[in-house]
Amino acid sequence: AQSVTQLGSHVSVSEGALVLLRCNYSSSVPPYLFWYVQYPNQGLQLLLKYTSAATLVKGINGFEAEFKKSETSFHLTKPSAHMSDAAEYFCAVRNTGNQFYFGTGTSLTVIP
Amino acid sequence: DAMVIQNPRYQVTQFGKPVTLSCSQTLNHNVMYWYQQKSSQAPKLLFHYYDKDFNNEADTPDNFQSRRPNTSFCFLDIRSPGLGDAAMYLCATSKDGDEQYFGPGTRLTVT
Repeated sequence: AQSVTQLGSHVSVSEGALVLLRCNYSSSVPPYLFWYVQYPNQGLQLLLKYTSAATLVKGINGFEAEFKKSETSFHLTKPSAHMSDAAEYFCAVRNTGNQFYFGTGTSLTVIP
Repeated sequence: DAMVIQNPRYQVTQFGKPVTLSCSQTLNHNVMYWYQQKSSQAPKLLFHYYDKDFNNEADTPDNFQSRRPNTSFCFLDIRSPGLGDAAMYLCATSKDGDEQYFGPGTRLTVT
């Protein structure tokens, strides 16, 4: 069965500092992996996705993620945090039955 | 712009009073999903339609039903809402199960 684990339910960074949000997956087949962002009282917005092409995936708003099969990880990074990045971030894996399984989320706080 | 629309954005219902939440999309996607999201938790998949085929998650209570009269619309019916059903309900669409596009959600309050 597929699942994702997000380490750290809350992450705080200073404005301008590196953002690193961790996601590890469990999948019996090559996974499709996604990162979504959710702002308060809104739906989820796709940041980026991995679909077995390039292992380094670039997304919107300066975010990127690297697929590492040996570590079963798909961590999300951004070189320099902006105040507008404060939100909830979800990692998700899609199975062959078209079902998405979301991690428990990481709340990012950006300190001015 | 193509999008996923949910109405209403906020819904208040009484304990036990049936309620229907609406989702429509202009993306012409063939898959539509309903998720329940409680405060500070991940979205939990309730069910999805792949074209006309309904797929219910094993742990979705019978109290939750869904209808998809056409490609563009999907409804979530809660037959007898309990206090524990208060949550944000998210509709999402995808083309053939690829990345999902989410609506803004409907926040349901049960009094």
